[in-house]
Amino acid sequence: QVQLVQSGAEVKKPGASVKVSCKVSGYTLTELSMHWVRQAPGKGLEWMGGFDPEDGETIYAQKFQGRVTMTEDTSTDTAYMELSSLRSEDTAVYYCAMPCSGGSCYSLWGQGTLVTVSS
Amino acid sequence: SYVLTQPPSVSVAPGKTARITCGGNNIGSKSVHWYQQKPGQAPVLVIYYDSDRPSGIPERFSGSNSGNTATLTISRVEAGDEADYYCQVWDSSSDPWVFGGGTKLTVL
Repeated sequence: QVQLVQSGAEVKKPGASVKVSCKVSGYTLTELSMHWVRQAPGKGLEWMGGFDPEDGETIYAQKFQGRVTMTEDTSTDTAYMELSSLRSEDTAVYYCAMPCSGGSCYSLWGQGTLVTVSS
Repeated sequence: SYVLTQPPSVSVAPGKTARITCGGNNIGSKSVHWYQQKPGQAPVLVIYYDSDRPSGIPERFSGSNSGNTATLTISRVEAGDEADYYCQVWDSSSDPWVFGGGTKLTVL
């Protein structure tokens, strides 16, 4: 059974960076595939970025370009999302999401990581 | 970028049918996916490619998509169906993966 297990909650100060991990179990990460979605408190889901098979590269939502980096370590089956220059509006639960095989949906989600940005 | 519009809330009595809409320009030409999210939990895929159900999702959940509106239909609604529901599409715009704003389903 495939599972996505994310790292624990983080508290950061404004201006700092955070790096969230997402370990895949029950499946071998052989290629760039993970996406990241966030959800501010009481708000909806917001796509941040991920691997786009149409372009053959990782793409980021315009809102986060220049501040976010998504990487994967296939030797440990772990994906990472690093967000820099944090501000209070970045307080949210961050989810990794595995795309459906060959498709545009998300078949599996991590449990979420709460990132709190506060001075 | 592409915009998906959902009603903020839908209420339904137990045993009745709930319909949650997702509006978008010519959304019928796109594949629509639906997620269920219960409080404090991660989203779960309940419908993909307009009307397919992942294994483990009850047959009570169905989907349709035509014109400018996609619809998630939940038949014989149960108390356990109370959750937020999000539609999602892929679009060829600058931010390709797009979510609707979400609909809170309340079971009366």
